[in-house]
Amino acid sequence: DAGVIQSPRHEVTEMGQEVTLRCKPISGHNSLFWYRQTMMRGLELLIYFNNNVPIDDSGMPEDRFSAKMPNASFSTLKIQPSEPRDSAVYFCASSRGGIGYEQYFGPGTRLTVT
Amino acid sequence: GENVEQHPSTLSVQEGDSAVIKCTYSDSASNYFPWYKQELGKRPQLIIDIRSNVGEKKDQRIAVTLNKTAKHFSLHITETQPEDSAVYFCAASIDGYGGSQGNLIFGKGTKLSVKP
Repeated sequence: DAGVIQSPRHEVTEMGQEVTLRCKPISGHNSLFWYRQTMMRGLELLIYFNNNVPIDDSGMPEDRFSAKMPNASFSTLKIQPSEPRDSAVYFCASSRGGIGYEQYFGPGTRLTVT
Repeated sequence: GENVEQHPSTLSVQEGDSAVIKCTYSDSASNYFPWYKQELGKRPQLIIDIRSNVGEKKDQRIAVTLNKTAKHFSLHITETQPEDSAVYFCAASIDGYGGSQGNLIFGKGTKLSVKP
């Protein structure tokens, strides 16, 4: 298995632009998680899905952030409009179950908003 | 909501020594406590986890202890090696299959440096 796949690996965009991050979980995993990592705030869980359904989005910082999982093999995290404070590494992770199962992280997307 | 405090933020040890990282949590309902290791520029990877029905778990040179009464848990690494150098994150959550429970809350991380 190729593991969790994320694209793009790096994204540089200007403030106000829309940014879409993509994730393909490990086949057979039914939970998917989006995290944001910064030096100041550490690793934060933004949202997680179980069987393609959003379970808890209380970590999503504001309405500019949205996430979808149209099927078991694909998820997106969208930021519209983007702001410089959104600059961070965004990780996607998947697991076989819910929170209490090992999460396999993707390589991350490093987002820079100028 | 849950709050996880992790100490120390940085830790430097000599190769062969032991390293201990401590975390406290606030929500007494939390019952799942994983530890992740993140090497520089890499993704976090689970190294060990513990559930509230056990007090200690070991895996080779790594062990985790849990004190539910005091609401704290610790990671112990013995016979440290240079390749143990990384950032270690603790986390706490209420475990419910099917995602019916709360978020996985991470500590701020501990940067461990093992000097040869």
